[in-house]
Amino acid sequence: GNSVTQMEGPVTLSEEAFLTINCTYTATGYPSLFWYVQYPGEGLQLLLKATKADDKGSNKGFEATYRKETTSFHLEKGSVQVSDSAVYFCALSVRENSGGSNYKLTFGKGTLLTVNP
Amino acid sequence: AAGVIQSPRHLIKEKRETATLKCYPIPRHDTVYWYQQGPGQDPQFLISFYEKMQSDKGSIPDRFSAQQFSDYHSELNMSSLELGDSALYFCASSLRATTSKPNTGELFFGEGSRLTVL
Repeated sequence: GNSVTQMEGPVTLSEEAFLTINCTYTATGYPSLFWYVQYPGEGLQLLLKATKADDKGSNKGFEATYRKETTSFHLEKGSVQVSDSAVYFCALSVRENSGGSNYKLTFGKGTLLTVNP
Repeated sequence: AAGVIQSPRHLIKEKRETATLKCYPIPRHDTVYWYQQGPGQDPQFLISFYEKMQSDKGSIPDRFSAQQFSDYHSELNMSSLELGDSALYFCASSLRATTSKPNTGELFFGEGSRLTVL
Protein backbone atom coordinates (compact mmCIF):
# COMPACT_ATOMS: atom_id res chain seq x y z
CA GLY A 1 0.00 0.00 0.00
CA ASN A 2 0.86 3.68 0.11
CA SER A 3 2.38 5.31 3.15
CA VAL A 4 4.24 8.44 4.18
CA THR A 5 6.70 8.67 7.05
CA GLN A 6 7.77 12.09 8.19
CA MET A 7 9.96 13.40 10.92
CA GLU A 8 8.18 13.51 14.24
CA GLY A 9 7.99 16.81 15.97
CA PRO A 10 7.64 19.09 17.55
CA VAL A 11 10.42 21.11 15.99
CA THR A 12 11.35 24.37 17.69
CA LEU A 13 13.67 26.83 15.97
CA SER A 14 14.80 30.39 16.37
CA GLU A 15 13.97 32.92 13.69
CA GLU A 16 16.35 32.77 10.69
CA ALA A 17 17.42 29.19 11.46
CA PHE A 18 17.61 26.52 8.76
CA LEU A 19 14.71 24.07 8.57
CA THR A 20 14.63 20.48 7.37
CA ILE A 21 11.64 18.19 7.80
CA ASN A 22 12.33 14.71 6.51
CA CYS A 23 9.75 12.78 4.53
CA THR A 24 9.99 9.33 2.93
CA TYR A 25 7.32 7.36 1.16
CA THR A 26 6.28 3.98 -0.17
CA ALA A 27 3.87 3.79 -3.05
CA THR A 28 2.37 1.39 -5.55
CA GLY A 29 2.77 3.22 -8.82
CA TYR A 30 4.32 6.58 -9.55
CA PRO A 31 3.13 9.11 -7.00
CA SER A 32 2.89 12.86 -7.01
CA LEU A 33 4.30 14.36 -3.83
CA PHE A 34 3.04 17.29 -1.81
CA TRP A 35 3.68 19.37 1.26
CA TYR A 36 0.59 20.84 2.89
CA VAL A 37 0.65 23.40 5.70
CA GLN A 38 -1.95 23.93 8.40
CA TYR A 39 -1.75 27.15 10.37
CA PRO A 40 -3.34 27.20 13.85
CA GLY A 41 -7.12 26.92 13.62
CA GLU A 42 -7.12 26.85 9.83
CA GLY A 43 -7.55 24.40 6.98
CA LEU A 44 -5.04 22.63 4.76
CA GLN A 45 -3.15 24.71 2.25
CA LEU A 46 -0.94 23.32 -0.47
CA LEU A 47 2.60 24.57 0.08
CA LEU A 48 4.40 22.93 -2.84
CA LYS A 49 4.33 19.86 -5.05
CA ALA A 50 6.41 17.73 -7.40
CA THR A 51 5.05 15.26 -9.91
CA LYS A 52 8.11 13.42 -11.21
CA ALA A 53 11.59 12.38 -10.19
CA ASP A 54 14.11 15.22 -9.72
CA ASP A 55 11.37 17.85 -9.82
CA LYS A 56 11.85 20.58 -7.26
CA GLY A 57 8.78 22.19 -5.77
CA SER A 58 9.18 25.62 -4.21
CA ASN A 59 7.02 28.29 -2.62
CA LYS A 60 7.47 31.04 0.00
CA GLY A 61 11.15 30.13 0.42
CA PHE A 62 10.38 26.45 1.03
CA GLU A 63 11.80 23.78 -1.27
CA ALA A 64 11.54 20.03 -1.67
CA THR A 65 13.06 17.74 -4.31
CA TYR A 66 11.43 14.50 -5.50
CA ARG A 67 14.11 11.84 -5.00
CA LYS A 68 12.99 8.56 -6.51
CA GLU A 69 16.19 6.70 -5.64
CA THR A 70 15.77 7.41 -1.94
CA THR A 71 11.96 7.69 -2.03
CA SER A 72 12.21 11.01 -0.22
CA PHE A 73 10.74 14.49 -0.41
CA HIS A 74 12.41 16.46 2.38
CA LEU A 75 11.17 19.99 3.08
CA GLU A 76 13.77 22.74 3.55
CA LYS A 77 13.86 26.46 4.17
CA GLY A 78 16.99 28.51 4.58
CA SER A 79 15.68 31.07 7.06
CA VAL A 80 12.45 30.49 8.95
CA GLN A 81 10.18 33.21 10.26
CA VAL A 82 7.79 33.31 13.22
CA SER A 83 4.93 33.30 10.70
CA ASP A 84 6.06 29.84 9.48
CA SER A 85 4.88 28.29 12.74
CA ALA A 86 2.37 25.64 11.70
CA VAL A 87 1.88 21.92 11.18
CA TYR A 88 3.45 20.57 7.99
CA PHE A 89 2.11 17.45 6.28
CA CYS A 90 3.92 15.45 3.65
CA ALA A 91 1.53 13.63 1.33
CA LEU A 92 1.44 11.49 -1.78
CA SER A 93 -1.17 10.92 -4.41
CA VAL A 94 -1.46 7.93 -6.73
CA ARG A 95 -4.19 7.49 -9.29
CA GLU A 96 -6.31 4.64 -7.99
CA ASN A 97 -8.38 3.71 -11.05
CA SER A 98 -7.09 3.47 -14.58
CA GLY A 99 -8.68 6.24 -16.63
CA GLY A 100 -10.45 7.59 -13.59
CA SER A 101 -9.84 10.59 -11.44
CA ASN A 102 -9.62 9.04 -8.03
CA TYR A 103 -6.48 10.49 -6.55
CA LYS A 104 -6.57 9.41 -2.94
CA LEU A 105 -4.16 11.50 -0.89
CA THR A 106 -2.19 9.75 1.83
CA PHE A 107 -0.78 11.99 4.56
CA GLY A 108 2.11 11.66 6.95
CA LYS A 109 1.50 12.24 10.66
CA GLY A 110 2.41 15.91 10.49
CA THR A 111 5.26 17.89 12.04
CA LEU A 112 4.55 20.83 14.33
CA LEU A 113 7.00 23.66 13.75
CA THR A 114 7.33 26.48 16.25
CA VAL A 115 9.57 29.42 15.40
CA ASN A 116 10.55 31.73 18.24
CA PRO A 117 11.57 35.36 17.75
CA ALA B 1 -10.75 31.91 -8.26
CA ALA B 2 -13.53 29.91 -6.66
CA GLY B 3 -12.43 27.43 -4.00
CA VAL B 4 -14.03 24.50 -2.25
CA ILE B 5 -16.82 25.72 0.02
CA GLN B 6 -17.80 23.84 3.14
CA SER B 7 -20.67 24.50 5.50
CA PRO B 8 -21.20 24.89 8.31
CA ARG B 9 -17.77 25.97 9.49
CA HIS B 10 -18.57 25.06 13.07
CA LEU B 11 -21.17 22.68 14.47
CA ILE B 12 -21.92 21.62 18.02
CA LYS B 13 -24.05 18.54 18.64
CA GLU B 14 -25.01 16.30 21.54
CA LYS B 15 -24.24 12.59 21.69
CA ARG B 16 -26.63 10.44 19.63
CA GLU B 17 -27.72 13.40 17.50
CA THR B 18 -27.25 13.62 13.74
CA ALA B 19 -25.25 16.11 11.71
CA THR B 20 -24.95 16.95 8.02
CA LEU B 21 -21.96 18.63 6.43
CA LYS B 22 -22.05 20.13 2.96
CA CYS B 23 -19.34 20.58 0.38
CA TYR B 24 -19.41 22.57 -2.86
CA PRO B 25 -16.45 21.64 -5.09
CA ILE B 26 -14.57 23.92 -7.40
CA PRO B 27 -16.66 24.46 -10.55
CA ARG B 28 -16.11 21.70 -13.16
CA HIS B 29 -14.38 19.44 -10.63
CA ASP B 30 -16.06 16.05 -10.79
CA THR B 31 -14.52 14.24 -7.83
CA VAL B 32 -15.12 14.96 -4.17
CA TYR B 33 -13.25 13.53 -1.20
CA TRP B 34 -14.03 13.61 2.52
CA TYR B 35 -11.34 13.51 5.20
CA GLN B 36 -11.56 13.46 8.99
CA GLN B 37 -8.85 15.02 11.14
CA GLY B 38 -8.99 14.32 14.86
CA PRO B 39 -7.19 16.60 17.35
CA GLY B 40 -3.45 16.42 16.75
CA GLN B 41 -3.89 13.79 14.04
CA ASP B 42 -3.26 13.59 10.32
CA PRO B 43 -6.27 13.69 7.99
CA GLN B 44 -7.83 10.29 7.41
CA PHE B 45 -9.60 9.47 4.15
CA LEU B 46 -13.28 8.66 4.59
CA ILE B 47 -14.89 8.38 1.17
CA SER B 48 -14.81 9.77 -2.36
CA PHE B 49 -17.24 10.25 -5.23
CA TYR B 50 -16.66 10.52 -8.96
CA GLU B 51 -19.46 11.63 -11.22
CA LYS B 52 -21.99 11.09 -8.40
CA MET B 53 -20.95 7.50 -7.79
CA GLN B 54 -18.93 6.33 -4.80
CA SER B 55 -15.44 5.67 -6.08
CA ASP B 56 -13.51 4.68 -2.97
CA LYS B 57 -14.14 4.07 0.69
CA GLY B 58 -11.75 4.51 3.57
CA SER B 59 -12.22 4.43 7.31
CA ILE B 60 -15.78 5.73 7.30
CA PRO B 61 -17.97 4.39 10.14
CA ASP B 62 -21.22 2.65 9.24
CA ARG B 63 -23.03 5.46 11.09
CA PHE B 64 -21.84 7.86 8.40
CA SER B 65 -23.08 8.09 4.85
CA ALA B 66 -22.39 10.45 2.01
CA GLN B 67 -23.55 11.22 -1.47
CA GLN B 68 -22.79 13.48 -4.40
CA PHE B 69 -25.65 15.27 -6.10
CA SER B 70 -26.35 16.19 -9.73
CA ASP B 71 -24.77 19.64 -9.21
CA TYR B 72 -21.65 17.84 -7.85
CA HIS B 73 -22.03 19.12 -4.32
CA SER B 74 -21.67 16.48 -1.64
CA GLU B 75 -23.13 15.91 1.81
CA LEU B 76 -21.74 13.86 4.67
CA ASN B 77 -24.42 12.59 7.01
CA MET B 78 -23.42 11.47 10.49
CA SER B 79 -25.85 9.73 12.82
CA SER B 80 -25.72 8.49 16.41
CA LEU B 81 -22.87 10.89 17.06
CA GLU B 82 -20.21 9.86 19.55
CA LEU B 83 -17.69 11.96 21.45
CA GLY B 84 -14.95 10.50 19.26
CA ASP B 85 -16.56 12.00 16.16
CA SER B 86 -15.39 15.44 17.29
CA ALA B 87 -12.99 16.44 14.56
CA LEU B 88 -12.29 18.72 11.65
CA TYR B 89 -13.92 17.38 8.49
CA PHE B 90 -12.34 18.39 5.22
CA CYS B 91 -13.79 18.19 1.78
CA ALA B 92 -11.55 18.27 -1.27
CA SER B 93 -12.17 18.23 -4.99
CA SER B 94 -10.24 17.40 -8.13
CA LEU B 95 -10.71 17.20 -11.87
CA ARG B 96 -10.59 14.05 -13.96
CA ALA B 97 -7.39 13.63 -15.94
CA THR B 98 -7.51 13.21 -19.72
CA THR B 99 -4.80 12.42 -22.24
CA SER B 100 -4.83 16.02 -23.40
CA LYS B 101 -4.97 17.46 -19.91
CA PRO B 102 -2.87 15.44 -17.45
CA ASN B 103 -3.62 15.74 -13.76
CA THR B 104 -0.94 16.14 -11.11
CA GLY B 105 -3.11 14.43 -8.52
CA GLU B 106 -3.53 17.62 -6.52
CA LEU B 107 -6.56 17.83 -4.30
CA PHE B 108 -8.01 21.22 -3.46
CA PHE B 109 -9.21 21.46 0.11
CA GLY B 110 -11.93 23.50 1.74
CA GLU B 111 -11.47 25.29 5.06
CA GLY B 112 -13.05 22.40 6.93
CA SER B 113 -16.07 21.97 9.18
CA ARG B 114 -15.31 21.64 12.87
CA LEU B 115 -17.71 19.26 14.61
CA THR B 116 -17.84 19.20 18.39
CA VAL B 117 -19.87 16.46 20.06
CA LEU B 118 -20.76 17.11 23.69
